[in-house]
Amino acid sequence: AQSVTQLGSHVSVSEGALVLLRCNYSSSVPPYLFWYVQYPNQGLQLLLKYTTGATLVKGINGFEAEFKKSETSFHLTKPSAHMSDAAEYFCAVSRINAGGTSYGKLTFGQGTILTVHP
Amino acid sequence: KAGVTQTPRYLIKTRGQQVTLSCSPISGHRSVSWYQQTPGQGLQFLFEYFSETQRNKGNFPGRFSGRQFSNSRSEMNVSTLELGDSALYLCASSLGLSSGELFFGEGSRLTVL
Repeated sequence: AQSVTQLGSHVSVSEGALVLLRCNYSSSVPPYLFWYVQYPNQGLQLLLKYTTGATLVKGINGFEAEFKKSETSFHLTKPSAHMSDAAEYFCAVSRINAGGTSYGKLTFGQGTILTVHP
Repeated sequence: KAGVTQTPRYLIKTRGQQVTLSCSPISGHRSVSWYQQTPGQGLQFLFEYFSETQRNKGNFPGRFSGRQFSNSRSEMNVSTLELGDSALYLCASSLGLSSGELFFGEGSRLTVL
């Protein structure tokens, strides 16, 4: 079974400060990993994903994440926070079947609410 | 390109009633997945349909059902509503291939009184 743990349900940073949102996963096979963002009263928007290849993944809005297999982590970072980054962020892992494909079932973490102070 | 469209956006029902939610995927996407989002349980997978066939199913009671039509549009139905079914129901579409990247709609917010 797969699982995702996001450390810290709430993270607060000042505008311009580093953003670090932590995600650890558990998977019996190499996973596909995702970060999604959700703004109030909206659906989820994909920030970035890791499937194979380069372990440092760059996404939209200046976010990036690094896949560390030895630490089973996929932490999300952004060098300088902006007020518009305030939202809820979800880390997710996708189930990979024996054929190496992934389907529409994602296992999500509990989410981290990011607050950005002026 | 139009995104994933979910209707209705908001609805209120009473216990014991049933509800049907609709999802129109992005054009060309053949996979539709449904998720339930609540403050207590977070995001939970309900089911996935691909080319009109249910490909995956989450751990929900049989009151929750879904289907997909030949044009890839999907509906989910919840019968005999309970208070605990109050949630944001999110639909996501994808090409159904190996990337696993999902595109989400804005959701249907169901309140059960």
